Order: sequence, then structure tokens, then C-alpha cells
Amino acid sequence: AQSVAQPEDQVNVAEGNPLTVKCTYSVSGNPYLFWYVQYPNRGLQFLLKYITGDNLVKGSYGFEAEFNKSQTSFHLKKPSALVSDSALYFCAVRDSISSGSARQLTFGSGTQLTVLP
Amino acid sequence: EAGVTQSPTHLIKTRGQQATLRCSPISGHTSVYWYQQALGLGLQFLLWYDEGEERNRGNFPPRFSGRQFPNYSSELNVNALELEDSALYLCASSSPRVVDTQYFGPGTRLTVL
Repeated sequence: AQSVAQPEDQVNVAEGNPLTVKCTYSVSGNPYLFWYVQYPNRGLQFLLKYITGDNLVKGSYGFEAEFNKSQTSFHLKKPSALVSDSALYFCAVRDSISSGSARQLTFGSGTQLTVLP
Repeated sequence: EAGVTQSPTHLIKTRGQQATLRCSPISGHTSVYWYQQALGLGLQFLLWYDEGEERNRGNFPPRFSGRQFPNYSSELNVNALELEDSALYLCASSSPRVVDTQYFGPGTRLTVL
């Protein structure tokens, strides 16, 4: 079984400061990892993914994430936060060796990011 | 390129009624996924369709069902609605050529009174 944990329900940062949203995962094989962002009353927007290769993944809107296999983590980061980054962030995982019957994503519970002006 | 579209945006039903939600995937995408986002329960996988076939379903009762049409659009049906079915229902699509990136639609807000 695969699972994702986002240990922080809420993260507050000041505008211009770096931000980190934490994610840890559990899968049987190698993970496919994703970050999505959700603005109020909207669907999820894809930010970035890790499939294989470089552990540092760059995505949309200046976000990046670092894959750490030994710590089973995939934390989302941004060097300088903007007020417009305030939203709900979801980490998701899929096991790369899953059979065809298990291609759906398993999502974390979400982290509400608030960037204070 | 048009994104995933869903209709209706909002749907209000009463207990015991049936609801039908629709999803059109991104052009070229053959897989459609349905998720339920209920308050306090996070995102839960409902159903996955690929090439017209149901490939997997989540831990939901049989009154949640759906289908995928030849043009890859999809329909989610919820029978015998219960109050706890009130949620945002999200549809996502993915391409067989791009590993596992699911792109989401704006969702349908279902309210059961």
C-alpha cells in the first residue's frame, strides 16, 4: 500500500522569505511523486513531479522540490514567497511498479500555506 | 490546448435522488480519474477509466458508478444520494505518453440537502 504524510496542516511565512512544505511517503517500489496546488473553489493545478533522475526538481511559478530517498521525503520549496502563493498544497505518490490496477494517485491531507505581506 | 472540463459547476440535489457529473479530458488523453474531496476527508480516489474500461475503483459503495465514452469523456453517477455525498468531485485526465501526470478539471460541487 502507498501513503503520503503532510505533517503540517498550516504553514505561515512572510513575503520574501523562503518557504518549505513538507511531505513524506511510503511505497513498495520506487515512487512517482507530485505536488499540486489548489486555490479556493478551484481544481488542482500541477506544479511538478519526480519520476527519476536529478533529485532536485524544478516546477511552475518558481517552486522546486527535493527528492530524498533515504528520508522518503519530497519537500516543496521556494526561495522567496509571494502573497499570491497562499493556497492549499497537496503532495501525491504512486508506486512505479504498480500494476495496471493501481495507477491512481494517493494524496496527502494538504497543507494550507499563508504568505503574510 | 484546452484543459479538463467538468459540468455542471454546481449541483444541488435532495437525499435519495441521483446525480450525474460529466468530464471531458484533455485532447489526446485516454485515462480519466474521478476523485472526491469532502470536507475533512481530503482527496479520495473513486474511479479510473482507460480506453473505455473501468480499470480500478476506490473504497466507495456500488451506488457510485460511471462510464467512459468512445470520445474518452466520462460520466460519474451517484445513486440514492446521501447527505455525506456532499463534496467537490474532481476529474483528472492523463496521457499514455506522459508518465502519470494527471491534470485536473475545476470540479463539480455537489450539495445534497
